[in-house]
Amino acid sequence: AQSVTQLGSHVSVSEGALVLLRCNYSSSVPPYLFWYVQYPNQGLQLLLKYTTGATLVKGINGFEAEFKKSETSFHLTKPSAHMSDAAEYFCAVSEERAAGNKLTFGGGTRVLVKP
Amino acid sequence: DAGVIQSPRHEVTEMGQEVTLRCKPISGHNSLFWYRQTMMRGLELLIYFNNNVPIDDSGMPEDRFSAKMPNASFSTLKIQPSEPRDSAVYFCATKSDGNTEAFFGQGTRLTVV
Repeated sequence: AQSVTQLGSHVSVSEGALVLLRCNYSSSVPPYLFWYVQYPNQGLQLLLKYTTGATLVKGINGFEAEFKKSETSFHLTKPSAHMSDAAEYFCAVSEERAAGNKLTFGGGTRVLVKP
Repeated sequence: DAGVIQSPRHEVTEMGQEVTLRCKPISGHNSLFWYRQTMMRGLELLIYFNNNVPIDDSGMPEDRFSAKMPNASFSTLKIQPSEPRDSAVYFCATKSDGNTEAFFGQGTRLTVV
């Protein structure tokens, strides 16, 4: 079974400050890991993903995440927050299967950006 | 491509009524997922299909919920009878077997009064 834990349901950062969103996962097989962003009244949009290879992955809008197997973590960072980063962020894990590749999501972290 | 299309975007219905949510996947995507999002429980996977066949429906809350995928371009999620606790945003997501990314629709916000 797979599961995802996101530490902190709400994060407040100042514009220009570092954004750090924490994600830990459990998986019985090597995982695929994802970060999605959800803007108000919208669906989820993929920010970045890790499948294999380089453990530091870069995504859209200046976000990046590092897969650390020893820590079972996949934390999301952005060096400098922008007002447009205010949204809810979801970490997700999937396990490769012959069919489906279903995603299990964390509880989400809502980011507030202060001017 | 227009992306994953869900309809309606908003639905308000009275308790006891039947509700049908619809999803049109991205052309060529052969896996389809129905998720429910609530404040209390976050994003929950209800059911997913691969090549129109239900693979895992363990997330379906109870017998009042049913989902179908009669062909590769259409899926429905039905609630009969609906209850106030079914109020949530329901998302459809699709992907192709050769890709790890799932694409989400904009969701249907269901309110049962």
